[in-house]
Amino acid sequence: DIQMTQSPSSLSASVGDRVTITCQASQDITKYLNWYQQKPGKAPKLLISDASNLETGVPSRFSGSGSGTDFSFTIRSLQPEDIATYYCQQYDSFPITFGQGTRLAIE
Amino acid sequence: QVHLQESGPGLVKPSQTLSLTCTVSGGSISSDDYFWSWVRQRPGKGLEFIGHIAYSGDTDYNASLKSRVKISLDTSKNQFSLKVTSVTAADTAIYYCARLRTIRITLFGELLPPRARAFDSWGQGALVTVSS
Repeated sequence: DIQMTQSPSSLSASVGDRVTITCQASQDITKYLNWYQQKPGKAPKLLISDASNLETGVPSRFSGSGSGTDFSFTIRSLQPEDIATYYCQQYDSFPITFGQGTRLAIE
Repeated sequence: QVHLQESGPGLVKPSQTLSLTCTVSGGSISSDDYFWSWVRQRPGKGLEFIGHIAYSGDTDYNASLKSRVKISLDTSKNQFSLKVTSVTAADTAIYYCARLRTIRITLFGELLPPRARAFDSWGQGALVTVSS
C-alpha cells in the first residue's frame, strides 16, 4: 500500500495567518491526490482534487500544489471556521489511502 | 444534490456480523460515473478505506479487511450495504458511506476501466460499537 505522511500532525495559528500542510507519498503518485476537511463530529468534505483543483463552492483561500511524491495544502488567510482536521488521500494505486491527518487549531 | 444516509444497529456483539445500509437520495446509484464506498474511522483515529462497488456489481476491497467484508447493491431501492463478519472490538468505529467519483484513463491508446478518484459526497456517519 502507498503510505501517505502528513506534516505536521497538529498546528496552531492565528486568524489571518498563512497555513501550509505537507503530504508525502511513499512512491510517485503523479497528481492523484485529494485534500479533505473534517470538522469535529462531521463527515469529511472534499476541498481539492487532483492536487490543485478547487472543488465548486470551496473558498479561494484554500489551495493545493505538488506532484510526484510531495504535495502541499495552503490556507491563505486562516478563518475561525477553518478549525478542523485535514487529510490528504491518494488514488494512484489501490487501495486508496489517507494521510494520518493534521489537526488545525486557532491560537 | 445527492444525499447519503447510513442506517443499522449501533451495537454488535463480538464474533457477530456488522450490517449497515446506505440510502442514496437526490441521485441514482445506477451510474458509471461513480463507485459506492465505505470508509471507517476508529475513535480518535484517521480514515480507513474499506471498499467500493460499481453499478455493474464489481467490487474492490481493502486487503486488510477483504476476507471479512462484503458490499452489495440494491438498485431498486437506491441503496448499497456493508457486511463485516466476525467483528471484534477493533471494528468499533464510525462507518461512513460515500460516493466515489471515478476517472477513466487512456494508456497507450486504450481506455482503461474506471478507477476510484475522490469521495465527493458523504453520509453523516454511523457509530458502531462492538461489545458484549
